Amino acid sequence: GQQVMQIPQYQHVQEGEDFTTYCNSSTTLSNIQWYKQRPGGHPVFLIQLVKSGEVKKQKRLTFQFGEAKKNSSLHITATQTTDVGTYFCAGFRDMRFGAGTRLTVKP
Amino acid sequence: DARVTQTPRHKVTEMGQEVTMRCQPILGHNTVFWYRQTMMQGLELLAYFRNRAPLDDSGMPKDRFSAEMPDATLATLKIQPSEPRDSAVYFCASGLVFQGLMNTEAFFGQGTRLTVV
Repeated sequence: GQQVMQIPQYQHVQEGEDFTTYCNSSTTLSNIQWYKQRPGGHPVFLIQLVKSGEVKKQKRLTFQFGEAKKNSSLHITATQTTDVGTYFCAGFRDMRFGAGTRLTVKP
Repeated sequence: DARVTQTPRHKVTEMGQEVTMRCQPILGHNTVFWYRQTMMQGLELLAYFRNRAPLDDSGMPKDRFSAEMPDATLATLKIQPSEPRDSAVYFCASGLVFQGLMNTEAFFGQGTRLTVV
């Protein structure tokens, strides 16, 4: 199956700072999905990117899909304590997840 | 409110015992995934099914794990015999795939937390 690598593994920020996680694939992805998992919870879908170079925004979250469709990023502006959790990317077809980036936010 | 249902939510068992985890996917979804999550390994894909047929189970230890879909409303993951290293949270997820594209996101169940002592 396709390999999806995600960095960093952990990120600790002060509330109000920005946060970015990166997802890289060894092969071209037909699309990519991002999920968030709160501590003790299950992964919940955030967004799907399909087109080369696509950029989508959800309030303070900005998602990008690379031109070559081999990488993607999630950027959070001005983090809040509610952003705490682990963010995963998953490449279709077989929905293999990256290792995730665990975000902690200090109030 | 459509959701993926997993049972049991928690399971404590002794090493060597058989464990069966069940998943009821969302009605109409044609793809079911099984994942295992540990602190060390992240979210690991064990197997997935499309229209009840297994498409990939390469992530699953074949000697002790088995996954089936006896019908469209039930997916099972079985471990026999269980070992302490199998302790993890097991998630089931379902989604709709059409013409090779994921038409929906993967909806996850709340997971089965398995502890093998």
